[in-house]
Amino acid sequence: NAGVMQNPRHLVRRRGQEARLRCSPMKGHSHVYWYRQLPEEGLKFMVYLQKENIIDESGMPKERFSAEFPKEGPSILRIQQVVRGDSAAYFCASSPSGSYSPLHFGNGTRLTVT
Amino acid sequence: SQQGEEDPQALSIQEGENATMNCSYKTSINNLQWYRQNSGRGLVHLILIRSNEREKHSGRLRVTLDTSKKSSSLLITASRAADTASYFCATAFLNTGANSKLTFGKGITLSVRP
Repeated sequence: NAGVMQNPRHLVRRRGQEARLRCSPMKGHSHVYWYRQLPEEGLKFMVYLQKENIIDESGMPKERFSAEFPKEGPSILRIQQVVRGDSAAYFCASSPSGSYSPLHFGNGTRLTVT
Repeated sequence: SQQGEEDPQALSIQEGENATMNCSYKTSINNLQWYRQNSGRGLVHLILIRSNEREKHSGRLRVTLDTSKKSSSLLITASRAADTASYFCATAFLNTGANSKLTFGKGITLSVRP
């Protein structure tokens, strides 16, 4: 049973470009979470999705950031017009039943904005 | 603000010693979880303790939960060099049910000297 798959592992974008981060949850998991991690800091919650629905996006910046988890295919975190401050590691996690069960994490996408 | 706050921020011990890490939180929770992160990798779930539980064991790990003090501790016994990693506590709020995010602390850096 494959774990949570994130791609790409590393992504370099110039300021103003778009970044698309993909996450395939574990088989059978319908709950997906996105977190952002800066060096020497913990994980900051961004968004929580179930299939086709955004449950909690309280951690998402109001502009430039969006997320989706379609009926078919991976979850996508999209950052438009990236700025240097968006450079970070972005982690996706999935679970079969929300926060009442352990989250399974991918190895993250490291975004560098030049 | 972060729900979970770990203490100490960094811990350095000799192989074979025990490592104790603490976590405090602010509001009522459904459960508290501990995760481990090796450098450059995603988080790995270690143990989940529910609000009606006081202590849980898993191999060399022992977790306690004191809901009256809103605190938890993670004890790693007979530490090994391979235990070197960052450790995070995460909490699931009670009021919003299973559809709630997991909120992480900033983590504790544990170094185990051979």
